[in-house]
Amino acid sequence: NTKITQSPRYLILGRANKSLECEQHLGHNAMYWYKQSAEKPPELMFLYNLKQLIRNETVPSRFIPECPDSSKLLLHISAVDPEDSAVYFCASSPDRTNSDYTFGSGTRLLVI
Amino acid sequence: AQSVTQPDARVTVSEGASLQLRCKYSYFGTPYLFWYVQYPRQGLQLLLKYYPGDPVVQGVNGFEAEFSKSNSSFHLRKASVHWSDWAVYFCAVSIPGTGSNRLTFGKGTKFSLIP
Repeated sequence: NTKITQSPRYLILGRANKSLECEQHLGHNAMYWYKQSAEKPPELMFLYNLKQLIRNETVPSRFIPECPDSSKLLLHISAVDPEDSAVYFCASSPDRTNSDYTFGSGTRLLVI
Repeated sequence: AQSVTQPDARVTVSEGASLQLRCKYSYFGTPYLFWYVQYPRQGLQLLLKYYPGDPVVQGVNGFEAEFSKSNSSFHLRKASVHWSDWAVYFCAVSIPGTGSNRLTFGKGTKFSLIP
C-alpha cells in the first residue's frame, strides 16, 4: 500500500520511548490513529483534521500524537507498557465528515 | 452511542459454497455502514460501503451487502467463495453529521474454508 506508508513495520521494545510514523499521499485532510489489540477490532485513538486534534479517545497520557503537516502523522510513545502490544494503524479520509477511509499496513508493536 | 454486533465469531464453508456474514447495528437513525476485510498480518481493506440509497450495494471481488432498516442489519454475501477469501471480516458503522466520522467496528468474523 503506497498510498499510506507507515514505519516501522515491526517494533520490539522494552520500557523505552519510540515514535511511529505515517505519511499519506492522497491529499486527505483527516488522519487517524487506530489501535488493534490481539483478537480485537480496531479502536480509534486520535483524529486530526487539517492538523488540528479533533478527537482524543480515552488514551493513556504516554501516547502523544503529532501532526507536523496535513500529510504526516506521528505517534510518540513513552515508557511503553505490555498492554500497549498491538498493531497501530494509520488511516486517512478526505475530511472529518467523509468516511471513505484508507488504512495503512500498520506498525506491529511488541512490548517485552 | 452507535454499536455493531457480528454474532458469528467464526464461519466455515466449502469452496464454491455461498457465504453470508451477519452484521447488526444499533443506532436510532440511518448510519453509514462498511465491510472491511483483513488478511493475515495486513491492514484493513474496504470491501463495500452503504450510504443512504439503494439498500443493496456491490463491492469488490463479488461481494455484496444488503441494508435493512427494519432489521438494523447489513449482512455481507458472496455467491461462491474461493480460498483467497480466507480472512477476517469486520463490519463498521459511522454516524453522519457528527463532524467526526469515527468508525466503530464489530468484533469481526473469521472466515475459513473446509480443506
